[in-house]
Amino acid sequence: EPEVTQTPSHQVTQMGQEVILRCVPISNHLYFYWYRQILGQKVEFLVSFYNNEISEKSEIFDDQFSVERPDGSNFTLKIRSTKLEDSAMYFCASSTSVYEQYFGPGTRLTVT
Amino acid sequence: SQKIEQNSEALNIQEGKTATLTCNYTNYSPAYLQWYRQDPGRGPVFLLLIRENEKEKRKERLKVTFDTTLKQSLFHITASQPADSATYLCALVKTGTASKLTFGTGTRLQVTL
Repeated sequence: EPEVTQTPSHQVTQMGQEVILRCVPISNHLYFYWYRQILGQKVEFLVSFYNNEISEKSEIFDDQFSVERPDGSNFTLKIRSTKLEDSAMYFCASSTSVYEQYFGPGTRLTVT
Repeated sequence: SQKIEQNSEALNIQEGKTATLTCNYTNYSPAYLQWYRQDPGRGPVFLLLIRENEKEKRKERLKVTFDTTLKQSLFHITASQPADSATYLCALVKTGTASKLTFGTGTRLQVTL
């Protein structure tokens, strides 16, 4: 069964450094998303992407964040200058329509 | 302010019984509501979707109800099994927002033998 994959599974970075989290969505999906989950808290929407542009973003998704689909398969989330409070599990998701979303296993980001 | 509330206390039930989980929301006009399962350290897994004009949806041992008057959804697992132990998340999509899922905090279900 096709699935969303994410790399790396765990990323440790120092405050102020840039990180890029990578995702390979399911191949025939058209909608792509990033969510995050701080330990012990709820899953929070960051951004959705369709037709090569951002379709929605949350207040969390400020100028420090950007997304890109550099080729036909990858979908990336870049955090330009990480802060301690960016430490969280980041989930990529994809869907064929605006309905059910398929989530990847997540990247645990630790900012020290 | 907008809120999605799920029972934060864990639900412990015996194998074979029906588990019922609740999702209440305020100050929302959801177009549809989804239920996901999340295991520790893993991403959410889609289970069921119900639209605002639907009262009930079923899939195998799962049943979801949606009452837009009470602003509540109930999620039932019949004949529960230890493998059903996980955190169950309710997620809403508002009318007019095409794709953004807003999640509740989830309810942890523990099914014991």
